[in-house]
Amino acid sequence: GDSVTQTEGLVTLTKGLPVMLNCTYQTTYSPFLFWYVQHLNEAPKLLLKSSTDNKRTEHQGFYATLHKSSSSFHLQKSSVQLSDSALYFCALSAAYQGGRALIFGTGTTVSVSP
Amino acid sequence: GGIITQTPKFLIGQEGQKLTLKCQQNFNHDTMYWYRQDSGKGLRLIYYSITENDLQKGDLSEGYDASREKKSSFSLTVTSAQKNEMAVFLCASSTGAGQLYFGEGSKLTVL
Repeated sequence: GDSVTQTEGLVTLTKGLPVMLNCTYQTTYSPFLFWYVQHLNEAPKLLLKSSTDNKRTEHQGFYATLHKSSSSFHLQKSSVQLSDSALYFCALSAAYQGGRALIFGTGTTVSVSP
Repeated sequence: GGIITQTPKFLIGQEGQKLTLKCQQNFNHDTMYWYRQDSGKGLRLIYYSITENDLQKGDLSEGYDASREKKSSFSLTVTSAQKNEMAVFLCASSTGAGQLYFGEGSKLTVL
């Protein structure tokens, strides 16, 4: 069945450094991938989405490229800020009986220190 | 814009108790979802509904019931709360095209 894998549970880094969060997926359908961010005690919010192969998508300084050849949709940022400390989820749009829903990875916590 | 409101924000129950969570959305979205969030396990789909009075089981539906009596509301019932259970339940809505809009969550603690 469809699945999403995030390999890092926790990433700790210093303000100003670059970050990359890994996301790989498995699906037999045309992939539609998402990154959601959840700050402490807040609702998850959409950060990025893409269904176009090899096209970079960007938002709020974060960027990701869907690579169908490697089934990946890694999230990157060139220079992290303290406010980027949050939980990041990669998600895949999947077919369920009667409709579609998102399958989420286990999430990566990013902790940025001064 | 719209908003998703979940009630209650915090729910404390006893083992074996039936507990109900409620969700309201004013996006006028057709599809609504309930996910369970556990630390280290991501978000797992419990139930979803593509229209009023429709119910579809997700991967984690055992032990739960759901109800969609109106387009704007979607409730979730824990049929028998398990001792020491602790989780956050997230409600979401969508046009069906992919992007989900989430509420802030309801935190369940079972004593």
